[in-house]
Amino acid sequence: SQQGEEDPQALSIQEGENATMNCSYKTSINNLQWYRQNSGRGLVHLILIRSNEREKHSGRLRVTLDTSKKSSSLLITASRAADTASYFCATDAASGSRLTFGEGTQLTVNP
Amino acid sequence: NAGVTQTPKFRVLKTGQSMTLLCAQDMNHEYMYWYRQDPGMGLRLIHYSVGEGTTAKGEVPDGYNVSRLKKQNFLLGLESAAPSQTSVYFCASSYGGGLRRNTIYFGEGSWLTVV
Repeated sequence: SQQGEEDPQALSIQEGENATMNCSYKTSINNLQWYRQNSGRGLVHLILIRSNEREKHSGRLRVTLDTSKKSSSLLITASRAADTASYFCATDAASGSRLTFGEGTQLTVNP
Repeated sequence: NAGVTQTPKFRVLKTGQSMTLLCAQDMNHEYMYWYRQDPGMGLRLIHYSVGEGTTAKGEVPDGYNVSRLKKQNFLLGLESAAPSQTSVYFCASSYGGGLRRNTIYFGEGSWLTVV
């Protein structure tokens, strides 16, 4: 089963609104990453947050990590139609060399 | 830099045929990965490599083999293709792993259909 699980599976909002996606995981991690995938394309790295960090910002992106709850959230502020994509979290387990992806959240931003 | 390049981009195979997907990276990364992505699902790790000459099994290795003879290349082979292997395959690479892992760079994907 997947280590990371995103919630919700799909999210539809209007341009200008904020979008929040959540990721839960099961085992201890070194870091957690968020990726974006446009339809028919490869994944693009958005942001990495390490296990000893609680919050990171990058432009309109804000990521939080709560290791006690084994969860992370990705907030996209002032969304744009171009933000329409699938967003995946990936967890880097504290043991082993694997990076495990969740099933993703499909975000649709309506103009 | 080209980043991560996969070939071919599209391929249709008949059941039982064999083929090899080639992945090349020009970033001098130690770690390389092969994932498959099925409709509406996340990425599942097939095999990975932590350095030249090394390979390891991921979540779904059955029916696939890999080789890492050169640091910059990671080959994924299907010995006898099955319809269940119809998928989009992504190669990726990263500088390190575990505590040293940072950004993973992905190729653009290879669409494989097995009929």
